[in-house]
Amino acid sequence: SQKIEQNSEALNIQEGKTATLTCNYTNYSPAYLQWYRQDPGRGPVFLLLIRENEKEKRKERLKVTFDTTLKQSLFHITASQPADSATYLCALEGDNNAGNMLTFGGGTRLMVKP
Amino acid sequence: DGGITQSPKYLFRKEGQNVTLSCEQNLNHDAMYWYRQDPGQGLRLIYYSQIVNDFQKGDIAEGYSVSREKKESFPLTVTSAQKNPTAFYLCASSTFLAGDTQYFGPGTRLTVL
Repeated sequence: SQKIEQNSEALNIQEGKTATLTCNYTNYSPAYLQWYRQDPGRGPVFLLLIRENEKEKRKERLKVTFDTTLKQSLFHITASQPADSATYLCALEGDNNAGNMLTFGGGTRLMVKP
Repeated sequence: DGGITQSPKYLFRKEGQNVTLSCEQNLNHDAMYWYRQDPGQGLRLIYYSQIVNDFQKGDIAEGYSVSREKKESFPLTVTSAQKNPTAFYLCASSTFLAGDTQYFGPGTRLTVL
């Protein structure tokens, strides 16, 4: 069966360090992979999208990699700040011929300590 | 100011009652979605609609119903048949073009008393 896995345990890091979050998937052939940020009690907000033929995408302090052989995406936040503390969700779009349909992972909570 | 709104923010329901959650968007998006999120969990798709007067079941549609009479609106009814309705409900919209992002509303937290 199709499965998307993100580390359910919270990731605690010190301010200024690089946070790395992982998204693994099985039985998918996604055309796109997206990352969203969700703050408590709020809706997710889109951060980055990476296509299946792209290895890496950057936006300011954010970097996403996509390895379709390993079936894995890594999401990096460099020079992390306490304001980066949130839950980060990965979402896959792709092999179901249904346009923009997304399937979400369970999310990883990031805590950045000052 | 474009966006997607949901109301109410908090909703309390007695067992056996139907309740309707509102979702409105002014982004001119064709597609709209309803998700359910339980504590510490990801988003699970309840229903989605690609066009007015058409909608499809998602992974957990049992106990829910929707309508799409207008492009801007996609209300969700949580019926008494839903056995465990207490959750955070999120509405989203998009263009339904491959590779586009989904825009989410602020959510409605439903609690069954």
